[in-house]
Amino acid sequence: DIQMTQSPSSLSASVGDRVTITCRASQNIDTRLNWYQQKPGTAPKLLIYAASGLHDGVPSRFSGSGSGTEFTLTISNLQPEDFATYYCQQSYSTSFTFGPGIKVDIK
Amino acid sequence: QLQLQESGPGLVKPSETLSLTCTVAGDSIDTSSFFWGWIRQPPGKGLEWIGSIYYSGSTYYNPSLGSRVTISVDTSKNQFSLRLNSVTAADTAVYYCARDNVYCNHSTCRPVGFFHTWGQGRLVTVSS
Repeated sequence: DIQMTQSPSSLSASVGDRVTITCRASQNIDTRLNWYQQKPGTAPKLLIYAASGLHDGVPSRFSGSGSGTEFTLTISNLQPEDFATYYCQQSYSTSFTFGPGIKVDIK
Repeated sequence: QLQLQESGPGLVKPSETLSLTCTVAGDSIDTSSFFWGWIRQPPGKGLEWIGSIYYSGSTYYNPSLGSRVTISVDTSKNQFSLRLNSVTAADTAVYYCARDNVYCNHSTCRPVGFFHTWGQGRLVTVSS
């Protein structure tokens, strides 16, 4: 299986901050990398697909970049509704795997 | 508007079989445009893909679950189902169903891995 890691393990930020989360794959996955947001008690929501594609209805303050083994999710101008846990997921191999998640909470 | 809804027992005894159904509303499951998947999340932990199925019955499974998992589709009821046998406490989780895109090359179609629509989830506890 392709292993996914995320950093930092947790993150405290303030409204209006620019936040960057990193995801690394154990092997080259091209741009087959997706990002999800999950709030407590709810299902994950797709934010970014194929490393940089913004899913329908996702605010433009979310952006993704990267290729190969290193990827980033950036949230510019953090809003109160953005405090959540963020997961990366590789779709290069059909044995899809997720990263451990990063919780973004209020500083 | 597409909606997915998981249903099934919330409590399963160890060594027995976990069975869940996902009912799709607002679109037909009998389409060549999408795969349909199951993902689970143990309490307080991360996400694990279980497997995905095409309307034709073609399946892809997480190798870590081995032969314990079976996913099936019933296009007449617009549903797809999950069976996980020989369960243990480690299988306690919220189980989600989700819709995924499809990629076809010649005669082979595979799930893409963009889980863009999810059900609300069903907590299944394995306990005696």
